[in-house]
Amino acid sequence: AQKVTQAQTEISVVEKEDVTLDCVYETRDTTYYLFWYKQPPSGELVFLIRRNSFDEQNEISGRYSWNFQKSTSSFNFTITASQVVDSAVYFCALTGGSQGNLIFGKGTKLSVKP
Amino acid sequence: GAGVSQTPSNKVTEKGKYVELRCDPISGHTALYWYRQSLGQGPEFLIYFQGTGAADDSGLPNDRFFAVRPEGSVSTLKIQRTERGDSAVYLCASSLAGGKTDTQYFGPGTRLTVL
Repeated sequence: AQKVTQAQTEISVVEKEDVTLDCVYETRDTTYYLFWYKQPPSGELVFLIRRNSFDEQNEISGRYSWNFQKSTSSFNFTITASQVVDSAVYFCALTGGSQGNLIFGKGTKLSVKP
Repeated sequence: GAGVSQTPSNKVTEKGKYVELRCDPISGHTALYWYRQSLGQGPEFLIYFQGTGAADDSGLPNDRFFAVRPEGSVSTLKIQRTERGDSAVYLCASSLAGGKTDTQYFGPGTRLTVL
């Protein structure tokens, strides 16, 4: 079965702290894609990153970085020097089949306080 | 360019009524997905269209749910005999060509409340 687990339900940090959001997945597919989306209070899911199963290089985009480790089936997301605008629910997702439908975790609610 | 749009943004209805939710994908995107997001949960897949046809409707919970995309662009999700348990945010996403290699872009959702 395919599954995404985000064990952290809620995280609260103070501005400028670094924070890591965990994502663990299960799949039998040999080729798959992993995603992170941000859902701010407005409700719209905003795409952050896509990673395919053959590319284990870490990626950095500004204050955001992602650590993909196939050996532990994890795809963790780190925000460096967090800001209040980073407050949102973050979802990790996995491609569920050849058609591309996504399987989402339950999300991690991040609150960044000034 | 314009993103995915959904109307209405909010819909309140009474148990047993029929509702239609509309999704307008990004221009040129052939793939369209519907998801349902209950409070405190991640989105759950409902149905996937490639062009005009439903390529995968395995996520529809029962036969009260139906979706169409007659011209390969706008899609309508239809729910008959609504139940309180149907209350959720219904999200639409589109991607350029579909399949697992494509990135899906989401609309703002329609919040459905069944009283």
